[in-house]
Amino acid sequence: NAGVMQNPRHLVRRRGQEARLRCSPMKGHSHVYWYRQLPEEGLKFMVYLQKENIIDESGMPKERFSAEFPKEGPSILRIQQVVRGDSAAYFCASSQSRDSYEQYFGPGTRLTVT
Amino acid sequence: AQSVTQLDSQVPVFEEAPVELRCNYSSSVSVYLFWYVQYPNQGLQLLLKYLSGSTLVKGINGFEAEFNKSQTSFHLRKPSVHISDTAEYFCAVSVPSGGYQKVTFGTGTKLQVIP
Repeated sequence: NAGVMQNPRHLVRRRGQEARLRCSPMKGHSHVYWYRQLPEEGLKFMVYLQKENIIDESGMPKERFSAEFPKEGPSILRIQQVVRGDSAAYFCASSQSRDSYEQYFGPGTRLTVT
Repeated sequence: AQSVTQLDSQVPVFEEAPVELRCNYSSSVSVYLFWYVQYPNQGLQLLLKYLSGSTLVKGINGFEAEFNKSQTSFHLRKPSVHISDTAEYFCAVSVPSGGYQKVTFGTGTKLQVIP
């Protein structure tokens, strides 16, 4: 029973390029959450998605960041025109239902902007 | 809005000694409480959770935590640590928000077990 999958595990981008991070939830889960972990900080909520819907994006930066969870395929977190401050670990979690209290985490994608 | 405070950013402890990692939270509504462990360059793994019932919760790897409602605390303890417990530990609260359970994490405590 595969857990939450994230790829790539490591991503290096130059300033100004685009970063695409993918997350495949656990089998049977249709709710996905994205978190960002900056160096020496805890995880900060970014966005919560259900299939084809963004439920809560209150933690997303206003510009350059977007997320989607299409009917088919993984959830994508997209960062346009990356800057050095975007360097962080990005974690995806999934849950079975909207009111599920337990989230299952993927291994994360570590983004480095040079 | 809810918040989680982990007062200790780093805790060094000798192998086989006991350890307590502190967590305090604030919330205007009832919460679910969690402790996660993160090993270097890995994701988060659930150690234990408090939903309701007994305030003493036992988790994996010999860890336990006690929910104290009056002090709004959920401290994590282990009577005897091993080298393999070296990791970062995150306390988290989950509250209903906008029709779903929203999770807020503390800033983490790095546990360093000294041989």
